[in-house]
Amino acid sequence: DAKTTQPPSMDCAEGRAANLPCNHSTISGNEYVYWYRQIHSQGPQYIIHGLKNNETNEMASLIITEDRKSSTLILPHATLRDTAVYYCIVRVAGRGGATNKLIFGTGTLLAVQP
Amino acid sequence: DAGVTQSPTHLIKTRGQQVTLRCSPKSGHDTVSWYQQALGQGPQFIFQYYEEEERQRGNFPDRFSGHQFPNYSSELNVNALLLGDSALYLCASNSVGGLGNTIYFGEGSWLTVV
Repeated sequence: DAKTTQPPSMDCAEGRAANLPCNHSTISGNEYVYWYRQIHSQGPQYIIHGLKNNETNEMASLIITEDRKSSTLILPHATLRDTAVYYCIVRVAGRGGATNKLIFGTGTLLAVQP
Repeated sequence: DAGVTQSPTHLIKTRGQQVTLRCSPKSGHDTVSWYQQALGQGPQFIFQYYEEEERQRGNFPDRFSGHQFPNYSSELNVNALLLGDSALYLCASNSVGGLGNTIYFGEGSWLTVV
């Protein structure tokens, strides 16, 4: 079973920020939070990941709470092309060991409205 | 820099037949994983190959087998196809070691069993 819970769907107006929440209350100290998205009929696309600090890249920002039990993916200016299913995954990925067995939940279907 | 490439993109097989799917990892990656994604569901981990050996396996029957070649490319073989094997088969690659070793996915191979 997935170790994360996400809302099944969200709407966002084009040009506004999209904030996608994820709960991972049983996360272990060596588990990272990863975000992927999957546009219809395509392979999952890596977005961002983090351990405990907030992270930002050209696609998005990741905010992880201090207790690491939840996180939020922020798309700062959503476009119609951001409509996709967004998956939040926890994964052991640090030095000394990593798993490639990503456990996908049902994800959040983000619908960006014009 | 080519990403993860898979072939074929679509194929149709008859129940009971065998199928081979192929994957070339992203440049610089040495580990390949395979996932199955049924319609409307998240990807499910099949197995992972590193150094030409199966390292981790998900809950899939022995009809699913794989191989990794010295150039790190990989094949997924499914024998005695069932209608329920119809799905999107995803290949993912990463590099063992290093902090994070992000997993990247290909666009997938759509298999239809009739």
